[in-house]
Amino acid sequence: QITLKESGPTLVKPTQTLTLTCNFSGFSLSTSGVGVAWIRQPPGKALEFLALVYWDDDKRYSRSLRRRVAVMKDIPKNQVVLTLTNVDPADTGTYFCTHRVDTVGYDSWGQGIFVTVSS
Amino acid sequence: VLTQSPGTLSLSAGERATLSCRASQSLSTAALAWYQQKPGQAPRLLIYAVSRRATGIPDRFSGSGSGTDFTLTISRLEPEDFAVYYCQLSGSSPFGGGTKVEIK
Repeated sequence: QITLKESGPTLVKPTQTLTLTCNFSGFSLSTSGVGVAWIRQPPGKALEFLALVYWDDDKRYSRSLRRRVAVMKDIPKNQVVLTLTNVDPADTGTYFCTHRVDTVGYDSWGQGIFVTVSS
Repeated sequence: VLTQSPGTLSLSAGERATLSCRASQSLSTAALAWYQQKPGQAPRLLIYAVSRRATGIPDRFSGSGSGTDFTLTISRLEPEDFAVYYCQLSGSSPFGGGTKVEIK
């Protein structure tokens, strides 16, 4: 059974760097075709893709956030870490990490963590 | 860019729902997926590769389309189907803006 869980700060001040960790189990991020992504959702709005890291360390980023976002995997720890620099109140929302198998889609999701950006 | 329509669909249980997802340019890949999201919950994968149902998804859900136009059809709405539905082309592309299926 695949499980993912997001952790990190729930309140961040503007201009700070947000670091979120996704702890997962039930799969290996060294298996061909597997990836873990971060997707967020501002309150009342649509889903927004942020970043994706594949088993071979191929990384994909949102075009609009490319200069502010980074993703790293730690295979021994079964973790994927997201960093978002210079946060703004517009970055407030629920951040999800998800498991992906290429050609299938995001088939398992964490519960999400709600992050507020406010001074 | 994926555009979903309508923004809101008001239907009764038992009715058929037809949701549209239109791409700004013709897609050469068959990687389109549909997700369902209920309030306060994470999204759930319904359909991948345009028309394949994910594990455990009832057969009242079906996907179709090609090129620039894709459709999610719910043949007979059940009470638990009232939710927001999103389409997405591939792993790193933006999601569509969503269609809310609400009870009429």
